[in-house]
Amino acid sequence: DIQMTQSPSSLSASVGDRVTITCRASQSISRYLNWYQQKPGKAPKLLIYTASDLQSGVPSRFSGSGSGTDFTLTISSLQPEDFATYYCQQSYSTPYTFGQGTKLEIK
Amino acid sequence: EVQLVESGGALVQPGGSLRLSCAASGFTFSSYEMNWVRQAPGKGLEWVSYISSIGTTIYYADSVKGRFTISRDNAKNSLYLQMNSLRAEDTAVYYCARYLRGFDIWGQGTMVTVSS
Repeated sequence: DIQMTQSPSSLSASVGDRVTITCRASQSISRYLNWYQQKPGKAPKLLIYTASDLQSGVPSRFSGSGSGTDFTLTISSLQPEDFATYYCQQSYSTPYTFGQGTKLEIK
Repeated sequence: EVQLVESGGALVQPGGSLRLSCAASGFTFSSYEMNWVRQAPGKGLEWVSYISSIGTTIYYADSVKGRFTISRDNAKNSLYLQMNSLRAEDTAVYYCARYLRGFDIWGQGTMVTVSS
């Protein structure tokens, strides 16, 4: 199975900050990497698919990059509604494993 | 409106069975691959199972293989998860999710609690 490791596990930041979350795969997954945002009590929401493609309706302050084993999610200027937990997920092969999550909190 | 609505979650005793359903609307259900994903209380996301658009290809997580069965009825726009031999560690919110370059549409989730 492909293991997905996110860092950091938690992050405190302020509105307006630029934030980067990283995700590392235990083997190459090409660009089959997706990012989700989840708020408490809600279903996850797809933000980025195939490493860098922005899902329709997602603000352009979200961006993704990477290929192979190393990926990043960047939020260029944090907004109040961005405080949530973020997960990466590989869709290269089953089991479609998720990272453990990064909780983004208000500083 | 594109929508997935899960149902069937309940409190069940260890060793018991439960069948979850996911009703799709607003899109051509038969054209999409579907998945079940679960989230234990306070924990992260865990992929559970995948089914191809016509149901011919199925995959399971090792943690549920041999106990859970995914199926779909494209005529009824519905996805199912039959869960047998339930264990305490199966306690979670279960989501159905459509696959299109990522899990792009999710249901609201249904809670399954396995406890005596």
